[in-house]
Amino acid sequence: DTGVSQDPRHKITKRGQNVTFRCDPISEHNRLYWYRQTLGQGPEFLTYFQNEAQLEKSRLLSDRFSAERPKGSFSTLEIQRTEQGDSAMYLCASSSPPGGPYNEQFFGPGTRLTVL
Amino acid sequence: AQSVTQLGSHVSVSEGALVLLRCNYSSSVPPYLFWYVQYPNQGLQLLLKYTSAATLVKGINGFEAEFKKSETSFHLTKPSAHMSDAAEYFCAVSYQGAQKLVFGQGTRLTINP
Repeated sequence: DTGVSQDPRHKITKRGQNVTFRCDPISEHNRLYWYRQTLGQGPEFLTYFQNEAQLEKSRLLSDRFSAERPKGSFSTLEIQRTEQGDSAMYLCASSSPPGGPYNEQFFGPGTRLTVL
Repeated sequence: AQSVTQLGSHVSVSEGALVLLRCNYSSSVPPYLFWYVQYPNQGLQLLLKYTSAATLVKGINGFEAEFKKSETSFHLTKPSAHMSDAAEYFCAVSYQGAQKLVFGQGTRLTINP
């Protein structure tokens, strides 16, 4: 059983550098989500895709952040000109089309970003 | 706006004792409520969910939670703690038509031998 995978698991970068993370959802899931989790806090929603369409973005997603899902399968999250405040765990989740009132979101292991 | 408050950032119980993790929510429409568990260096795993069916919800690993509308609460319980229950637990809320989850700040559960 292949769950949600994320790559890399860990990333250390210097302030001002660009970084890109990848998320591969569960194959039959058409919805994909990005969350950010800082130390000691719960995850915070960043953005959501249905197939290749980005349908919602949080105010947390500044203009230095961009997310894509070009073919409705994997997604990338890019952070340009990283700042120390970007240090966090970036979580990806996916869910299947509606089969009831709500669909469980399956989470990947996350990418931990450290900005020096 | 929706929000979730988890009372107690750290809970410590003895092995075999009752586990009670508290969650209160704020929502202007009927909510969907969830409990997730996170082990170190891992993603979140769903323990259980309330989606307007039975108010007492049973989940995996012996956990259950009760939705109390009058108290706007969704507390998580387990009758007898096991060492393997040590982890971070998150309560989350959503509602029909919305996709994002709004999480509480989390409660770290420690089990003492």
